[in-house]
Amino acid sequence: DVKVTQSSRYLVKRTGEKVFLECVQDMDHENMFWYRQDPGLGLRLIYFSYDVKMKEKGDIPEGYSVSREKKERFSLILESASTNQTSMYLCASSFQRAGDNEQFFGPGTRLTVL
Amino acid sequence: SQKIEQNSEALNIQEGKTATLTCNYTNYSPAYLQWYRQDPGRGPVFLLLIRENEKEKRKERLKVTFDTTLKQSLFHITASQPADSATYLCALDPSYNTDKLIFGTGTRLQVFP
Repeated sequence: DVKVTQSSRYLVKRTGEKVFLECVQDMDHENMFWYRQDPGLGLRLIYFSYDVKMKEKGDIPEGYSVSREKKERFSLILESASTNQTSMYLCASSFQRAGDNEQFFGPGTRLTVL
Repeated sequence: SQKIEQNSEALNIQEGKTATLTCNYTNYSPAYLQWYRQDPGRGPVFLLLIRENEKEKRKERLKVTFDTTLKQSLFHITASQPADSATYLCALDPSYNTDKLIFGTGTRLQVFP
């Protein structure tokens, strides 16, 4: 079974802190994604990557950056956390850039910024 | 504008009945549509994919239809069980063959005994 793991289930940070969210997948997937999920707004794509060192902006990239140095690991970075970044963050991966691939999600990190 | 709409109100049905969830979209021409299940505090789990040239897809008690004229997908769970209670999300690829997905906000299904 594909396994996508995220470094923390719950995280509490203070405004202005630099925050790192880590995601690891163990099935050699090429695509990796970071979403945030908020009530009433659903899942929104922040960034995605279809290869090592490749990244593309999603719908809401402002205030975030990403890093993909190894195929299995995709990191989301909040350069200076703000209260409006309090959310559930979900990482996902999928097999290859060929369309119609299902996405496998991690358990999520609930981030609170005080 | 482009959007995907799912009924934001919860759907409450009795065990054994068929649950039908709706996904409508505007200003997209997706090659396929996917359905996911999400339990509270967990990540979504893929259930079914249906392509634009498929009218219907089945998997055990699940059935999905896709009407590209109406721009609508229906998701059915037959003989529903309390364990089917969850939020169900539809998703589509807005730009053919990119693997990016746009998700609806989901419909919460509650099956009571």
